[in-house]
Amino acid sequence: DTGVSQDPRHKITKRGQNVTFRCDPISEHNRLYWYRQTLGQGPEFLTYFQNEAQLEKSRLLSDRFSAERPKGSFSTLEIQRTEQGDSAMYLCASSPGGPISYEQYFGPGTRLTVT
Amino acid sequence: GQSLEQPSEVTAVEGAIVQINCTYQTSGFYGLSWYQQHDGGAPTFLSYNALDGLEETGRFSSFLSRSDSYGYLLLQELQMKDSASYFCAVREGGNNRKLIWGLGTSLAVNP
Repeated sequence: DTGVSQDPRHKITKRGQNVTFRCDPISEHNRLYWYRQTLGQGPEFLTYFQNEAQLEKSRLLSDRFSAERPKGSFSTLEIQRTEQGDSAMYLCASSPGGPISYEQYFGPGTRLTVT
Repeated sequence: GQSLEQPSEVTAVEGAIVQINCTYQTSGFYGLSWYQQHDGGAPTFLSYNALDGLEETGRFSSFLSRSDSYGYLLLQELQMKDSASYFCAVREGGNNRKLIWGLGTSLAVNP
């Protein structure tokens, strides 16, 4: 399967702990996005990478969130000192470069539950 | 501010046609996308409109009017498997291609 993969699929953690999620995009895609989705809502943009460069980070994102894409391939999203409000589905998407790369390909998501 | 409005729920029967509307107000506009999401699944791309008019892809069509800040998704010959949430999303433009999403429309297709 050459689609977007995310690991883990589910994560349960206690409030105050740190968690890290991984996303492996489609191999030839140079654009990578992180979104967060809660029940009954649309995905909310968190951050965007073009190759290894993080080009935009949502102003809604607190300093507890950080993302990296060190070699322009896989990406990690870390949440420090988790809070119950962080419970959500974290979605990763990728897209190819070029002017007509409007379609984003989503991974299955990581469901985070903070107790 | 930024907002996308679409109906929260739509119900239809198999074989019918349904239209899901989306109006948007965003700081920039480069195009309107539609995604389908089944319960527990990831969003999957359906269509994209950058210019005014109708785009047809099989049973699904999408329309855009930039002057009215309005678009719709038309689903024809509905099947039970079409029961899902449908999201409109605006690409604001610029280099990042990020999407601003609506709250989604839950479509229930009944026999």
